[in-house]
Amino acid sequence: KAGVTQTPRYLIKTRGQQVTLSCSPISGHRSVSWYQQTPGQGLQFLFEYFSETQRNKGNFPGRFSGRQFSNSRSEMNVSTLELGDSALYLCASSRDLQVLEQYFGPGTRLTVT
Amino acid sequence: DQQVKQNSPSLSVQEGRISILNCDYTNSMFDYFLWYKKYPAEGPTFLISISSIKDKNEDGRFTVFLNKSAKHLSLHIVPSQPGDSAVYFCAAMSHGGNQFYFGTGTSLTVIP
Repeated sequence: KAGVTQTPRYLIKTRGQQVTLSCSPISGHRSVSWYQQTPGQGLQFLFEYFSETQRNKGNFPGRFSGRQFSNSRSEMNVSTLELGDSALYLCASSRDLQVLEQYFGPGTRLTVT
Repeated sequence: DQQVKQNSPSLSVQEGRISILNCDYTNSMFDYFLWYKKYPAEGPTFLISISSIKDKNEDGRFTVFLNKSAKHLSLHIVPSQPGDSAVYFCAAMSHGGNQFYFGTGTSLTVIP
């Protein structure tokens, strides 16, 4: 069974630009969560999607948004990039909502210059 | 505010000895606790979990201990192996909660 895939793996953007990251969950998994990992903050929850609907949201500004498609694939978008958005963005999938075990992708390393 | 804290950014242990990774939390409503292991250039992988009705859970070389009164959990790895060298994250969630709260991670190095 293929794992969670994320594209692209690396990305360099300039302040003010926007970016879209993609996540394909494990086949059969319907829930996709996004996390931001930075050295000082660890993993911080961005949002969770299930059945094409955002079910939960972390404490991030509205510049961070996402969506989920009917095949459970998900995208997250960051608009008006700031230097502080430089981070590793991780996607995790699980079979259902509030299932403890999540499977993470390798992440997308975003650098904002 | 960091509701889950891992106060040791790094830890070095000799191969064959015990590794003890610690995690503290502030929210008494947390019911489920998990440990993840992360290698460079890979996503975190689930290692072991414990619910608040237990104080210990064991899986092979890995044991997690939960002290609810102290709001503290620890991961014991015995014996430690070089392949255990990775960053370990603890995470917590409350029953019916809507998100996991992760610690900042502890980088474990097992010296051959």
